[in-house]
Amino acid sequence: DTAVSQTPKYLVTQMGNDKSIKCEQNLGHDTMYWYKQDSKKFLKIMFSYNNKELIINETVPNRFSPKSPDKAHLNLHINSLELGDSAVYFCASSQGVGPGNEQFFGPGTRLTVL
Amino acid sequence: AQSVTQLDSQVPVFEEAPVELRCNYSSSVSVYLFWYVQYPNQGLQLLLKYLSGSTLVKGINGFEAEFNKSQTSFHLRKPSVHISDTAEYFCAVSERIQGAQKLVFGQGTRLTINP
Repeated sequence: DTAVSQTPKYLVTQMGNDKSIKCEQNLGHDTMYWYKQDSKKFLKIMFSYNNKELIINETVPNRFSPKSPDKAHLNLHINSLELGDSAVYFCASSQGVGPGNEQFFGPGTRLTVL
Repeated sequence: AQSVTQLDSQVPVFEEAPVELRCNYSSSVSVYLFWYVQYPNQGLQLLLKYLSGSTLVKGINGFEAEFNKSQTSFHLRKPSVHISDTAEYFCAVSERIQGAQKLVFGQGTRLTINP
């Protein structure tokens, strides 16, 4: 019974293409996040949504557009993919926005841009 | 802005030996600290967290961490490791930004357990 799921698990595509990654959580949480993990394993937050509203946007290029159709879903659309977008993208969720809240992570989507 | 430094990028140890993974943070406000573990090809899982109160925090899988305010450290320890502890370990500090929780991660420490 997966708590935070992402699709696809692997994504290989050419430069310039547009792609989407989907995320769903069945924990009843109201806050969701997207993180990027680079080739050196460094993790950085990209976006955060609370009750479908964008609350964190960490100077991510506007080629990246998150969309939250409801509290259980947060999708990430990427336009005009570049080589530097190759990374593992993690979705996460938490209940509320308190600084002490645990975040639950999905299994990740490995994006490779050729 | 808050930051986290994990002092060791790789730590190899033998099975059943003790281990300490080091983490230092910088913060000028209330501190909320976390250790997450990432097993190969998986997402992150919370090991333990410090919010307030007792400085010794116990987590899952026999791990514990000690919050030391004077040394701005939050080192992770386990008295006896198992092969299954092989993973990447991330220390993180939580800060409030724009009314939201933002986790700032360290660079990660790869723990390798040798038989």
